[in-house]
Amino acid sequence: QVQLVESGGGVVQPGRSLRLSCAASGFTFSYYGMHWVRQAPGKGLEWVAVIWYDGSNKTYADSVQGRFTISRDNSKNTLSLQMNSLRTEDTAVYYCARGKYSNFVYYFDYWGQGTLVTVSS
Amino acid sequence: DIQMTQSPSSLSASVGDRVTITCRASQSISTYLNWYQQKPGKAPKLLIYAASSFQSGVPSRFSGSGSGTDFTLTISSLQPEDFATYYCQQSYSTPWTFGQGTKVEIK
Repeated sequence: QVQLVESGGGVVQPGRSLRLSCAASGFTFSYYGMHWVRQAPGKGLEWVAVIWYDGSNKTYADSVQGRFTISRDNSKNTLSLQMNSLRTEDTAVYYCARGKYSNFVYYFDYWGQGTLVTVSS
Repeated sequence: DIQMTQSPSSLSASVGDRVTITCRASQSISTYLNWYQQKPGKAPKLLIYAASSFQSGVPSRFSGSGSGTDFTLTISSLQPEDFATYYCQQSYSTPWTFGQGTKVEIK
């Protein structure tokens, strides 16, 4: 069965860096675009970034552009998010999610359990 | 960016009630609209994609409709396990955006 397991969250000071990982299993990882979606405490969902199945294309939300970098290693079935220059407003649970294209529509069909990032001094 | 607005933000309902949640897009998105359910402390779960197509395993009491700018998610007979927060999401263009959520609570 499809499994996505995030790791790497924790408490970090503003301005510092953190790297999140997502270990994928149960499907052919290299066939799918992968995403990071975050949720601030008590708030709604915010899409953060996507990387195409082969890593050739990456797109970011304006709120993280230039500070976050999404990457993947298809040989290790791993998705990563390098977060630099962290701000207090980056505090959230970060989910990795698989993207799927069907019926001409793109959606997030599987999600990990999330990892909490807290940016605080 | 395309703004997604859900209504209501919250509702109280009883088991067996018919519940309808509305999602409006700030511009036409055809049927590039998905619905997710999220329970406290859990990851979102895909319910409906392409406005009206069921994700595998989703109970038939859930249904979706709409196109263009106006969409609805309907639960025909609310069950205890349906108390959760529901989000719509557009995939017409990046950045993909979500509605603010509708929390369905027990009456």
